[in-house]
Amino acid sequence: GQQLNQSPQSMFIQEGEDVSMNCTSSSIFNTWLWYKQEPGEGPVLLIALYKAGELTSNGRLTAQFGITRKDSFLNISASIPSDVGIYFCAGSETSGSRLTFGEGTQLTVNP
Amino acid sequence: GAVVSQHPSRVICKSGTSVKIECRSLDFQATTMFWYRQFPKQSLMLMATSNEGSKATYEQGVEKDKFLINHASLTLSTLTVTSAHPEDSSFYICSAIGAGGDTQYFGPGTRLTVL
Repeated sequence: GQQLNQSPQSMFIQEGEDVSMNCTSSSIFNTWLWYKQEPGEGPVLLIALYKAGELTSNGRLTAQFGITRKDSFLNISASIPSDVGIYFCAGSETSGSRLTFGEGTQLTVNP
Repeated sequence: GAVVSQHPSRVICKSGTSVKIECRSLDFQATTMFWYRQFPKQSLMLMATSNEGSKATYEQGVEKDKFLINHASLTLSTLTVTSAHPEDSSFYICSAIGAGGDTQYFGPGTRLTVL
């Protein structure tokens, strides 16, 4: 089946630093999504990408849909302590269909 | 934005009993709902896809007779874990998509502990 490889698995950074994480897929996805999950809660959508090459920002977050449709990255600029959490990429073959999730990136921000 | 709720948020039950978890879309009609399971320090694994008024589609390896899914209305889907065992202890999360929508909105999750 489809697999998403997400890296890095974890990151420990200082407040104010920029962060980058990425996902690669063995197959093509037509939608890429980035979610954040905090302990004991469900994932919250951060950014949705629908076109190859698309670059989208949401505040300090920027994500890109790779041109090959097999990868995506998420950047967080000027990190703050409340950015702590697990970030998941997810892909789907068609918009609104089942999602395949990456393994997650655990982000820790030291004040 | 779209709001999805789950009830209960936590449940502890004895081995062999059945547990029902509800997933509701509060401000939109959900034509499709998804049920996921998440074990500690792992990612979300899709269990089944449920369309209103029809039978759920289960992922490979998920026992449909053990995890009963009902999507009887456009705002409610239920997951019943039948004859629960300790290995069923997990975080169960639902998500929902509205008609013509393209984004899954997730509920807050239900922590199930089977003793």
